[in-house]
Amino acid sequence: KQEVTQIPAALSVPEGENLVLNCSFTDSAIYNLQWFRQDPGKGLTSLLLIQSSQREQTSGRLNASLDKSSGRSTLYIAASQPGDSATYLCAVRGIAGSARQLTFGSGTQLTVLP
Amino acid sequence: SQTIHQWPATLVQPVGSPLSLECTVEGTSNPNLYWYRQAAGRGLQLLFYSVGIGQISSEVPQNLSASRPQDRQFILSSKKLLLSDSGFYLCASAAGGGVEQFFGPGTRLTVL
Repeated sequence: KQEVTQIPAALSVPEGENLVLNCSFTDSAIYNLQWFRQDPGKGLTSLLLIQSSQREQTSGRLNASLDKSSGRSTLYIAASQPGDSATYLCAVRGIAGSARQLTFGSGTQLTVLP
Repeated sequence: SQTIHQWPATLVQPVGSPLSLECTVEGTSNPNLYWYRQAAGRGLQLLFYSVGIGQISSEVPQNLSASRPQDRQFILSSKKLLLSDSGFYLCASAAGGGVEQFFGPGTRLTVL
């Protein structure tokens, strides 16, 4: 059974810092990996999607990497801003099953201090 | 891109009352649809998924049920709510092939 772990559970940084969020998964047979952002009381916003054949994806100040063989992904946020404060969730999609379900980590709660 | 609508946004219900949460999707056809629950301080738990009209798969045993009466409509129901059903319910949609999932705004359910 796939298990997804995110470390740290919470992170507080001053504005302007570059930071890395970590995600690890136990079963390397994945279809893709998706990073989401969740603001308090809101739904999930998809940030980046990395296919299993890819090593990284970039969107603006965000860069996500994937090392499938070691079961790891990182989300790099450059020049952090207070507006980046949110919970960041990592989810992997397995190969088995027609619906290709997502397995989520518990998230990293990020606070960027002005 | 897909847009997912959920209602109601918030709901407070007594124990033992029925439940009906609705999710509709725009911008795609024949999507895979999902219901998740997010309890306080915990990750997202997949409850149900559907690959087509009338096709429902359950991930966890519980007193909830799901139905898909139309291609882009997904309903979560219960005949009698329990205290443990409180949580944040999220509907998600993925286009055929399930490459990327998009989420709705969620429904906050409080069972008293």
